Amino acid sequence: GAVVSQHPSRVICKSGTSVKIECRSLDFQATTMFWYRQFPKQSLMLMATSNEGSKATYEQGVEKDKFLINHASLTLSTLTVTSAHPEDSSFYICSANDRESEQYFGPGTRLTVT
Amino acid sequence: QKEVEQNSGPLSVPEGAIASLNCTYSDRGSQSFFWYRQYSGKSPELIMFIYSNGDKEDGRFTAQLNKASQYVSLLIRDSQPSDSATYLCAVNMRSGYALNFGKGTSLLVTP
Repeated sequence: GAVVSQHPSRVICKSGTSVKIECRSLDFQATTMFWYRQFPKQSLMLMATSNEGSKATYEQGVEKDKFLINHASLTLSTLTVTSAHPEDSSFYICSANDRESEQYFGPGTRLTVT
Repeated sequence: QKEVEQNSGPLSVPEGAIASLNCTYSDRGSQSFFWYRQYSGKSPELIMFIYSNGDKEDGRFTAQLNKASQYVSLLIRDSQPSDSATYLCAVNMRSGYALNFGKGTSLLVTP
């Protein structure tokens, strides 16, 4: 199956700083990528849909100025958490659709804001 | 808000038994239904998907879909301790293929 990678796998940052998370489709082109967030004991919640070459579509309640998404190419989407706070600590997971519309998940990024 | 509901469990079954996991969804327009397995601290991995009413079998796993009842289930035959994980039910939200996840059912298979 197709492979989606995320970098970094874990990151610890101080409150007020920004963190960038990369999501790459390694062996296919992904016109659409999705960013999810998962808090402990909770399910995955969709944050935004990222389309190559256009602005991301954010879900209700997700601040677009805080969670900056860039989908610069068919294989790379980035999520930047700006001015991170402890409540942003979570497991961030991206996924990508291939041309057959099957969705592949990345391994996730564990963000801890101290 | 379209809902996907699962019993959080934990569901405990002995090794070799059949585990039955259930899921209901509220959006009658849902077209695709997925079961994912998630180990602690890891990303979800796809087990099965089902689009049509009825049963779909893949090895030890059988997915069942009843759109009239808005119900989807996953049966795991000959359960193994390695099947112990959280099982997430997901349905497609819109034609853009983003998924709406349930909270998951924790399964424990005891030796």
